[in-house]
Amino acid sequence: DSGVTQTPKHLITATGQRVTLRCSPRSGDLSVYWYQQSLDQGLQFLIQYYNGEERAKGNILERFSAQQFPDLHSELNLSSLELGDSALYFCASSSGQLYNSPLHFGNGTRLTVT
Amino acid sequence: DAKTTQPNSMESNEEEPVHLPCNHSTISGTDYIHWYRQLPSQGPEYVIHGLTSNVNNRMASLAIAEDRKSSTLILHRATLRDAAVYYCILRDPLNNAGNMLTFGGGTRLMVKP
Repeated sequence: DSGVTQTPKHLITATGQRVTLRCSPRSGDLSVYWYQQSLDQGLQFLIQYYNGEERAKGNILERFSAQQFPDLHSELNLSSLELGDSALYFCASSSGQLYNSPLHFGNGTRLTVT
Repeated sequence: DAKTTQPNSMESNEEEPVHLPCNHSTISGTDYIHWYRQLPSQGPEYVIHGLTSNVNNRMASLAIAEDRKSSTLILHRATLRDAAVYYCILRDPLNNAGNMLTFGGGTRLMVKP
């Protein structure tokens, strides 16, 4: 158990809809990362927050947004969903105190867009 | 970012050692070598990391070539539970403001009973 909790585990929705994925980091971790894993693209970095502030941005679509709340949990919002957004979405956390702090990943949310 | 090259897949027998290679010929002096693995239906899991010297932990050993252009992850006795995709990743604290990991294709390790 990595200590990172992601909800829901599975999500099925229709094109054009909006969903919110939630992540609770390990206790004490200040950094949260979001990744997308699809069959043809592998694991792609989306965005990172550190103590409530956006720290880095990867290949995140404009239809996607995220935030980290004062209690350090994070949410990833996906809107105007398309079939191609079907993927596994992973959240990871790290202490952020050391540049080599390992990332601890949750078990993901599987999103299916129909 | 400096890239890594790994074989797409490897096979091993249970209870035998496994050597997973990684080439990183364009590694910079400040790149750390990290290994993660992803078991089926799970998120990636940290395995080990190092800079220049060989490293050991309870999961594996990391052997780093003297010129740092390649490294090898060693699982001393493979078990069926070690069947996973193994990712070799370079992480540069000086050129990575977000300190994120950039995943490549990895090596799919199959372990035969």
